[in-house]
Amino acid sequence: DGGITQSPKYLFRKEGQNVTLSCEQNLNHDAMYWYRQDPGQGLRLIYYSQIVNDFQKGDIAEGYSVSREKKESFPLTVTSAQKNPTAFYLCASRGAKRGRTDTQYFGPGTRLTVL
Amino acid sequence: AQSVAQPEDQVNVAEGNPLTVKCTYSVSGNPYLFWYVQYPNRGLQFLLKYITGDNLVKGSYGFEAEFNKSQTSFHLKKPSALVSDSALYFCAVRDYGNNRLAFGKGNQVVVIP
Repeated sequence: DGGITQSPKYLFRKEGQNVTLSCEQNLNHDAMYWYRQDPGQGLRLIYYSQIVNDFQKGDIAEGYSVSREKKESFPLTVTSAQKNPTAFYLCASRGAKRGRTDTQYFGPGTRLTVL
Repeated sequence: AQSVAQPEDQVNVAEGNPLTVKCTYSVSGNPYLFWYVQYPNRGLQFLLKYITGDNLVKGSYGFEAEFNKSQTSFHLKKPSALVSDSALYFCAVRDYGNNRLAFGKGNQVVVIP
């Protein structure tokens, strides 16, 4: 977990509200990722960014939005359009350039619960 | 498309016995393979990876994995399991040049004292 911080650790949201999950890394990594984890389903990619001011949709981007204004920060907004947002959200980052073999490292996660 | 299969939902092993967690993969090119471990309510911790070279890869906490190209497998092993090894284990793969990892569903390992 070292070098990647996520906040808050636990987040409660009322239906119809947007919430933003924070992810910060001090590893000087170019690429950052957001995953959603549900019991028995492994990790599913929401969005990823390979460079500042650029990002791509993953497999389950509907109802989510991101920004990448700074290299070290990749916040995720869970909008009211996301029908089932209760899950564990994981941020990851990876160094270097396309084709390199660098490892993805993960933050400690944020558990979001919709009340 | 790249994908990973972890065929067993849960692996039970007695403390001190060998531990094996199975993983098979599918990629169109040369695979880059990874194993991660996750403890409850925590992020994933990197254990080891195979990129090229020796088929037997050694990683953290006494874990190792063997790459088998003909069987498209990358099984995780530990010679003597500890109770503290009880956790969720994920295998992941990506093609050369691909920036995305494909994860398996994970295996719950339970080490019985």
